[in-house]
Amino acid sequence: AQSVTQLGSHVSVSEGALVLLRCNYSSSVPPYLFWYVQYPNQGLQLLLKYTSAATLVKGINGFEAEFKKSETSFHLTKPSAHMSDAAEYFCAVSDAGGNEKLTFGTGTRLTIIP
Amino acid sequence: DSGVTQTPKHLITATGQRVTLRCSPRSGDLSVYWYQQSLDQGLQFLIQYYNGEERAKGNILERFSAQQFPDLHSELNLSSLELGDSALYFCASSEGGKRSEAFFGQGTRLTVV
Repeated sequence: AQSVTQLGSHVSVSEGALVLLRCNYSSSVPPYLFWYVQYPNQGLQLLLKYTSAATLVKGINGFEAEFKKSETSFHLTKPSAHMSDAAEYFCAVSDAGGNEKLTFGTGTRLTIIP
Repeated sequence: DSGVTQTPKHLITATGQRVTLRCSPRSGDLSVYWYQQSLDQGLQFLIQYYNGEERAKGNILERFSAQQFPDLHSELNLSSLELGDSALYFCASSEGGKRSEAFFGQGTRLTVV
C-alpha cells in the first residue's frame, strides 16, 4: 500500500520568504509523486510531478520539488512567497507500476503574511 | 479552466434520497476518476473508468455506483444518502496511462440534510 504524510497542516510564511512544504511517502514499488494546489472553491491543479526522470522537478508558479529516495521525501519549495500562493497544497502518490489512482496526503494550508 | 466539467456545482438533498453527479472529461481523455473530499476523510479515491470499463476501485461504498458512457462522460450515483455523505465530489480525467496527468473539475458540493 502507498501513502503520503504531509507534516504540518498549517504553514505561515512572510511574503518574500522561503516556502517549504513537507511530504514523505511510503511505497513498496517505485512511486510517482505529485503536488497539487487547491484554491478556495476550486478544483485541484497540478503544480508538478515526479515520474522517475530528473529528481529535481520544476513546476508552475516558481515551485519545485526534489525526490530523495534515501529520505523517502518529496518536499515542495519556492524561494520567495507571494500573496497569491495562499492555498491548500496536497502531496499525492501513485504506483509507477501502472495503478493510476492517486493517494493524497491530508493537505497543508499555506498562509502568506504581508 | 481544466476542461473537466462537473454538474451540478451544488446539491442539497435529504437523507435517504438518491442523486446523480455528472462529469464531462477533457476532450480526448479516456480515463475518468472520482474522488471524495470530506473534512474527516480528506481526499479519497472512489473509482476509475477507462474507455467505458471499470479499471480501479477504491473506498467506494456499496450505496455508490458509477459508470462511463460511450461518449466518455461519467456519472456517479449516490443512493440512500446519509449525513456523512456530505462532501465535495471531484471528477478528474486523463489520457490514461501511468504517466498521464489527471485534470480535476471544480467539484460538486453535496450537502445531505
